[in-house]
Amino acid sequence: EDQVTQSPEALRLQEGESSSLNCSYTVSGLRGLFWYRQDPGKGPEFLFTLYSAGEEKEKERLKATLTKKESFLHITAPKPEDSATYLCAVQYNNNDMRFGAGTRLTVKP
Amino acid sequence: DAGVIQSPRHEVTEMGQEVTLRCKPISGHDYLFWYRQTMMRGLELLIYFNNNVPIDDSGMPEDRFSAKMPNASFSTLKIQPSEPRDSAVYFCASSPRISETQYFGPGTRLLVL
Repeated sequence: EDQVTQSPEALRLQEGESSSLNCSYTVSGLRGLFWYRQDPGKGPEFLFTLYSAGEEKEKERLKATLTKKESFLHITAPKPEDSATYLCAVQYNNNDMRFGAGTRLTVKP
Repeated sequence: DAGVIQSPRHEVTEMGQEVTLRCKPISGHDYLFWYRQTMMRGLELLIYFNNNVPIDDSGMPEDRFSAKMPNASFSTLKIQPSEPRDSAVYFCASSPRISETQYFGPGTRLLVL
């Protein structure tokens, strides 16, 4: 069965404490993997798109990487304003789209 | 650009009533998507359109749900009759091409009593 699994479900960090979020997938015919950030009461906001294994993208304190089975979102020296739910989504086959359940990140000052 | 616009932002209705959610995509985007988000099931794709034509509605939960896109700048998602289990946040998103980034609206928070 096609699945997208994110871990951990929740993560609490101290400001400046770097960590990584994981998105593993079991789909065939990957067309793209997307990372979004969602703040409470708002729609998901695009962060990155990765298309092939080995690809990496960076934006400020965030860096996304992709392998054939999973993607990582690395957060370097996070700040309280990085607190949000991070969603990954996989597009595969004939443009099917599946979202993970998300990782709820809290960064304490 | 104002981004994807959805209305209403909040809707409270009683079971059995008809509910219509509205979406205006970003101008120039050929694809429009409707999603539903709940705590239990996360974000689920309901249906998507390409150039106003429904392409995949396999995510629509039941015949009570219907979606239309009469023109490139407007789409509706209708639930008739509504049930309490339809309570969720409904998002509309648009993208210029199918494999490109989807831009989400602020969502409509629906509560069916």
